[in-house]
Amino acid sequence: AQSVAQPEDQVNVAEGNPLTVKCTYSVSGNPYLFWYVQYPNRGLQFLLKYITGDNLVKGSYGFEAEFNKSQTSFHLKKPSALVSDSALYFCAVRDESGNTPLVFGKGTRLSVIA
Amino acid sequence: DGGITQSPKYLFRKEGQNVTLSCEQNLNHDAMYWYRQDPGQGLRLIYYSQIVNDFQKGDIAEGYSVSREKKESFPLTVTSAQKNPTAFYLCASSISGGYNEQFFGPGTRLTVL
Repeated sequence: AQSVAQPEDQVNVAEGNPLTVKCTYSVSGNPYLFWYVQYPNRGLQFLLKYITGDNLVKGSYGFEAEFNKSQTSFHLKKPSALVSDSALYFCAVRDESGNTPLVFGKGTRLSVIA
Repeated sequence: DGGITQSPKYLFRKEGQNVTLSCEQNLNHDAMYWYRQDPGQGLRLIYYSQIVNDFQKGDIAEGYSVSREKKESFPLTVTSAQKNPTAFYLCASSISGGYNEQFFGPGTRLTVL
C-alpha cells in the first residue's frame, strides 16, 4: 500500500527566509511524487513532480523539491518565502505501475509572516 | 478555455435527501476522480474511473454513488446513507496511468442542514 506522511501540520516562516515543507512516502518500487498547493475554498494546483533523473526538481512560483531515495523523502523548498505563499500544501505519491490514483498526505499549512 | 468545472459551488441539503454534484472536463482525459476533504484529514478518495462505463471504489465509497456514461462527465451522488456528508468535494482528472499529474476542479462545498 502507498502512503504519504507530512509530519508538520503548520509551518511558520518570516518573509524572505527559506522555507521547507516536509514529506516522506512509502511505496513498493519506485515512486512518482507530486506537490500541490491549495488556497482557501479553491481546488488544488499542481506545483511540481518527480518521475526519474535529477533529484532536484524545479516547479512553479520558484518552488523546488529534493528527492532522497534513502530517506524516502520529497521535501518542498523555496529560497525566499513570500506572504502570498501562505496556503495549504499537499504531497502525493503513486507507484510506478501508474494504475492507481494519487495518495495524498494530510497537508501542511504554511504561514509566511511579513 | 480548457479545464474542469464543478457545480454548484455551494450546496445545502436537508437530512435524508440525495444530492448530485456535477463534474465536467474538456481536457480529453480518460481518468476522473472524486475526493472528499475534511479539515485535518487531507484528501480521501471516494471513487475513480479510468474509462467510460467503468469505475472503482476508493477508500470511503460508502454512502456515495457515481456514473461514467460520457468521457467528459463524472457526477457524484451523495445519498442519505452517508452519515456525515458535510465536506468539501473535489473532482479531478488526468491522462491515464504513469507519471501524469491530476488536475483539480474548484470544488463543491456541501452542507447538511
